[in-house]
Amino acid sequence: AQSVAQPEDQVNVAEGNPLTVKCTYSVSGNPYLFWYVQYPNRGLQFLLKYITGDNLVKGSYGFEAEFNKSQTSFHLKKPSALVSDSALYFCAVMGGSYIPTFGRGTSLIVHP
Amino acid sequence: DTGVSQNPRHKITKRGQNVTFRCDPISEHNRLYWYRQTLGQGPEFLTYFQNEAQLEKSRLLSDRFSAERPKGSFSTLEIQRTEQGDSAMYLCASSLATGGNTEAFFGQGTRLTVV
Repeated sequence: AQSVAQPEDQVNVAEGNPLTVKCTYSVSGNPYLFWYVQYPNRGLQFLLKYITGDNLVKGSYGFEAEFNKSQTSFHLKKPSALVSDSALYFCAVMGGSYIPTFGRGTSLIVHP
Repeated sequence: DTGVSQNPRHKITKRGQNVTFRCDPISEHNRLYWYRQTLGQGPEFLTYFQNEAQLEKSRLLSDRFSAERPKGSFSTLEIQRTEQGDSAMYLCASSLATGGNTEAFFGQGTRLTVV
């Protein structure tokens, strides 16, 4: 079975500071990894993905994520946080079943 | 807008009633997923179609839940004899299963409240 762990329910960061939202995964075979963002009462919005190739992938709104195979991690990062980045962030993993499994989510709060 | 469309956006129903939700995926997307999300949780997988074939259904899914995707286009999710525990946001997503296009795109969801 595949699974995702997001160890932090909430991450607080000051505007302008770098942010990291953590994600670890478990899956058989090579993983497809995704990050999504969710604003209140909205569906999930795709941010970025890792399939193969470079371990550092870049996505929308200045976000990037680093794939680390040995640590089975896919942490989301941004060099300089904005107040408008405050939202729920979900990590997802997909294996050969082609069914994404999501983590519980991390609430990112960026303080002015 | 050619994104994933879900209707209705909100549904309030009495316990014991049947409800049906509709999802129109992005045109030409051959994979379609239904998820359920409750407050403070991530999306929970319900079922998955590739074209018109239902390939996977969550073992946790009650037999009161059924989904269809006739002709491999839109999909419907029906819940029979609703219970208060069915109250949740129901999310539909679609993806195009070719090459590196593996990401799923989500609709706005249907919020179900069972009273």
